[in-house]
Amino acid sequence: TQLLEQSPQFLSIQEGENLTVYCNSSSVFSSLQWYRQEPGEGPVLLVTVVTGGEVKKLKRLTFQFGDARKDSSLHITAAQPGDTGLYLCAGARNQGGKLIFGQGTELSVKP
Amino acid sequence: GAVVSQHPSWVICKSGTSVKIECRSLDFQATTMFWYRQFPKKSLMLMATSNEGSKATYEQGVEKDKFLINHASLTLSTLTVTSAHPEDSSFYICSEGKGASYEQYFGPGTRLTVT
Repeated sequence: TQLLEQSPQFLSIQEGENLTVYCNSSSVFSSLQWYRQEPGEGPVLLVTVVTGGEVKKLKRLTFQFGDARKDSSLHITAAQPGDTGLYLCAGARNQGGKLIFGQGTELSVKP
Repeated sequence: GAVVSQHPSWVICKSGTSVKIECRSLDFQATTMFWYRQFPKKSLMLMATSNEGSKATYEQGVEKDKFLINHASLTLSTLTVTSAHPEDSSFYICSEGKGASYEQYFGPGTRLTVT
């Protein structure tokens, strides 16, 4: 059972386009994190959202946590080739620090 | 943020041998570390949670006797793949947990190839 559904799993777009990645669950999370991973490297934390309805911006990236803390989205404006990578959402449920990961979104931005 | 190192970054071993992977916290003493396995183009699969001074907690389906985890000091956790087989070939990543929001900081990963 996948507790955190992430979509789309693959996305190939042209430089300058906008995109949104979604993570959805029927469960409530105490916090949700977004990570970005490049091939052959470990994931790097981008942001943590904690409060329902919270919106955080990181340059061209906008992260939102759903009001009920069950879902989240990542929106990238004017994507650049450097945004290429695997994006992972992960939710925490106060279970000893364990995270539940989504399936990941493989993003390719072509110049 | 926290910094985690892993060693080795890649290793090739023969079938039947054992391989040890080290995960080290560099900037603060991590009580809890996590070990993941990742297949190409796939998400992370949690293998076990490692706490300093106690036995690791393994996820369902992960063989404890095959994937030995030791967390003898606050800064070091090790994963030993015993009697490795080609199907154990994978990317293994560790992380340390931090903060009330359960953020995790990941090591750079270890690519294991079993021939």
